[in-house]
Amino acid sequence: NAGVTQTPKFRVLKTGQSMTLLCAQDMNHEYMYWYRQDPGMGLRLIHYSVGEGTTAKGEVPDGYNVSRLKKQNFLLGLESAAPSQTSVYFCASNSDAVQYFGPGTRLTVT
Amino acid sequence: GQQLNQSPQSMFIQEGEDVSMNCTSSSIFNTWLWYKQDPGEGPVLLIALYKAGELTSNGRLTAQFGITRKDSFLNISASIPSDVGIYFCAGQLINSGYALNFGKGTSLLVTP
Repeated sequence: NAGVTQTPKFRVLKTGQSMTLLCAQDMNHEYMYWYRQDPGMGLRLIHYSVGEGTTAKGEVPDGYNVSRLKKQNFLLGLESAAPSQTSVYFCASNSDAVQYFGPGTRLTVT
Repeated sequence: GQQLNQSPQSMFIQEGEDVSMNCTSSSIFNTWLWYKQDPGEGPVLLIALYKAGELTSNGRLTAQFGITRKDSFLNISASIPSDVGIYFCAGQLINSGYALNFGKGTSLLVTP
């Protein structure tokens, strides 16, 4: 099992550009999540999904969109990147109330 | 999200010392979890607590789920250099898709 994988690992965007972060899990988990982590902060929930075809907003959803077309994948989109979205993004999936995290994507918006 | 207060913010200790950190919330959680994060990595689960009053150990780590369901602590005994990292508490609510609310973390440095 690869667990939770994230693509890409690093990315630099210019303000206004768009991009999609991909999360994949091979553990057949129903629940998946996107968090962001800023310096000196814990992780904050952006969006989550309780199953294929479903999504819900978390604590900080503005400026992001998500899609869960396949059970194993959860995509996070930035339509028009802003410097405030410079952060490390973590994906996670859930089994029996325990969340397993990917290695993160470090995004810088200039 | 629910606000979690984690303390201390950082600790600088010598190898062999015991460590204690805690987390409090104004809200009740169904589950408390403790994670460790190494630089450039995602959080890794250390201990999960499911019942109020529960005391659980994992090697040199011990954690407890507070009776009020609003707090938890983590103890590390006989610290070693590889304990260095950031430790996060997280509270979980079933009715929010099992999403986690994180504390801001405790940064632990261990000198040999």
